[in-house]
Amino acid sequence: DVKVTQSSRYLVKRTGEKVFLECVQDMDHENMFWYRQDPGLGLRLIYFSYDVKMKEKGDIPEGYSVSREKKERFSLILESASTNQTSMYLCASSLLRTSRTGELFFGEGSRLTVL
Amino acid sequence: KQEVTQIPAALSVPEGENLVLNCSFTDSAIYNLQWFRQDPGKGLTSLLLIQSSQREQTSGRLNASLDKSSGRSTLYIAASQPGDSATYLCAVRLYRGSQGNLIFGKGTKLSVKP
Repeated sequence: DVKVTQSSRYLVKRTGEKVFLECVQDMDHENMFWYRQDPGLGLRLIYFSYDVKMKEKGDIPEGYSVSREKKERFSLILESASTNQTSMYLCASSLLRTSRTGELFFGEGSRLTVL
Repeated sequence: KQEVTQIPAALSVPEGENLVLNCSFTDSAIYNLQWFRQDPGKGLTSLLLIQSSQREQTSGRLNASLDKSSGRSTLYIAASQPGDSATYLCAVRLYRGSQGNLIFGKGTKLSVKP
């Protein structure tokens, strides 16, 4: 089974702090994604990556950056956390080319609270 | 712009009932459609993936259908159980070349009463 692991299930940070959210997948997937999920707004794509050191902006990249130095690891960085970044953050991965191309596998989520 | 709608937003049924969850999308030029389940405070679990060339997929008590021309997909759950209580989301992928273009509905929250 595909395993997508997010390093922290719950985090509490203060405004202005730098926050790192880590995601690791164990199935050699090319694509990795970061979403945030908020009540009434659903899932929104922040950034995605289709290869090591490659990244593309999603729908709401402002205030976030990402890093993909190794194929299995995709990090989301909040340079200076703000209260409006309090949310559930979900990491996902998928294969690029198979008969099931595009099937997304998600991690358990990281609930971030910014005070 | 592709929009994905799931109606109703919430549904409550007695245990044992067969039920259908709906997903509609505005642009029929999709590559595939995926159904997910989400338990409270958790991530999403993939249930079924239907490619645009397929009409349906089945897994256990779940059956998902796809009608591209009408912009609809349904998730049929047979003999519902309290353990099926969760939020069910559908997502469409617009075309093969763009991995980022996955559009999610806001989900239907299902409650199965014992």
